[in-house]
Amino acid sequence: AQTVTQSQPEMSVQEAETVTLSCTYDTSESDYYLFWYKQPPSRQMILVIRQEAYKQQNATENRFSVNFQKAAKSFSLKISDSQLGDAAMYFCAYRASDSNYQLIWGAGTKLIIKP
Amino acid sequence: DAGVIQSPRHEVTEMGQEVTLRCKPISGHNSLFWYRQTMMRGLELLIYFNNNVPIDDSGMPEDRFSAKMPNASFSTLKIQPSEPRDSAVYFCASSLEVLTSYEQYFGPGTRLTVT
Repeated sequence: AQTVTQSQPEMSVQEAETVTLSCTYDTSESDYYLFWYKQPPSRQMILVIRQEAYKQQNATENRFSVNFQKAAKSFSLKISDSQLGDAAMYFCAYRASDSNYQLIWGAGTKLIIKP
Repeated sequence: DAGVIQSPRHEVTEMGQEVTLRCKPISGHNSLFWYRQTMMRGLELLIYFNNNVPIDDSGMPEDRFSAKMPNASFSTLKIQPSEPRDSAVYFCASSLEVLTSYEQYFGPGTRLTVT
C-alpha cells in the first residue's frame, strides 16, 4: 500500500529565510503525482505545487520549489524568502496515475514563521 | 473565478439532529469529493462523485451518512442522526478530469460541532 510520511510535525523559520519541509513516500508505481497543499488558520486547503513523476525537472511556483528525488522517493518543499503569510500546516499528498481520485495524505507539518 | 463554495461555514447542533452540508463545485469540474478532517484521523475521503454519479463511497463511516449530487453544480452531505463523534471539519473538493494531474481544489470547509 502507498504511504506518505512527513517526519517533521513542526518547523520554524525566521522571516525572509529559507525552509525545507520533508516528505517521503512509498509506492511500487512508476508513474504518479505528488502535491503540496497548504492549510492556513482559515483552514482552507490550498494547492501549492504539484510534480509529475515522469518529469525530471523539479516544479517551481514563485517562492515555492520542490526537490523531487524519485529513486529515494523523496519530495521536499523549499520555501524561499519566508513570509508571515506562509505560516500554515503543509500537507504532502500522493496520487497514483491509474486513479483519478484517491489522494494519500501525509500527517502534515506545522510551519511557524518568526518575525 | 469562484472557487468551491461550501455552506454553512459553521454548524453547531445537538446530538440526534439532522445536519446537511452543502457544496457547489467549480464550474466545469466533473469530479467532486467529500472529506472529513479530524486531529486524530487527519483527512479522510468520504465519497467521490464523477459526472454526478457516486463512484466510491467506501469512506462513508456508516448509514447515518449519505451524500447526493443531483446536478453538476450542487452536492449535499447529510448526517442523520448526528453524534458527538461526527464533530469535524468537512471539506468539499472538485477537480477537472482533463487536467493531467487531476489536482483537487478545496472549499473553505464546514466546521461541525455536535453537542
